[in-house]
Amino acid sequence: AAGVIQSPRHLIKEKRETATLKCYPIPRHDTVYWYQQGPGQDPQFLISFYEKMQSDKGSIPDRFSAQQFSDYHSELNMSSLELGDSALYFCASSLQADGYTFGSGTRLTVV
Amino acid sequence: EDQVTQSPEALRLQEGESSSLNCSYTVSGLRGLFWYRQDPGKGPEFLFTLYSAGEEKEKERLKATLTKKESFLHITAPKPEDSATYLCAVQAGGYSNYKLTFGKGTLLTVNP
Repeated sequence: AAGVIQSPRHLIKEKRETATLKCYPIPRHDTVYWYQQGPGQDPQFLISFYEKMQSDKGSIPDRFSAQQFSDYHSELNMSSLELGDSALYFCASSLQADGYTFGSGTRLTVV
Repeated sequence: EDQVTQSPEALRLQEGESSSLNCSYTVSGLRGLFWYRQDPGKGPEFLFTLYSAGEEKEKERLKATLTKKESFLHITAPKPEDSATYLCAVQAGGYSNYKLTFGKGTLLTVNP
């Protein structure tokens, strides 16, 4: 069965640089979510999109933005990176509220 | 604000020693309670969704139950490969608002 695909798997950036994370949801899933998981922490909700429109917003810094495209893939753009942005970033997708499936994540390291 | 508290934070078991993990929650209108398993550096792997008090679901050595205030994940005769962090999350009711609020997880270690 198709899963949620995230790229890249690993990313190393310097402070003040910009990063773009990509997510390809499960086909026919209409909702995409982004979560941030710091070391030893639980996943924290950042933002979600339902049918390509932003549907909910969590603790996402103003330096971050996201969008969902016509093919339903989503991108998380992170600018002016800080050391504290180092974390695992997960994308998840669902059909309405069901079939909530997470990707393998992108490990971002800011040096 | 939705809150999820998991206990214990860490649990060490011998192979075959059954036990339970607890997840207590407060949420404004529970739509679903989720259990995930997470291995280090990997994404949460879906285990169960429970929707109403009294519901139970089983998968191999795992059984999840739900009351109006908490959920339990029972592990029967665990094996070393069951070692992982187990995450509980709640999903509140509400149109097009399907985010999950997670607890901090229980780190389970099963020794051979």
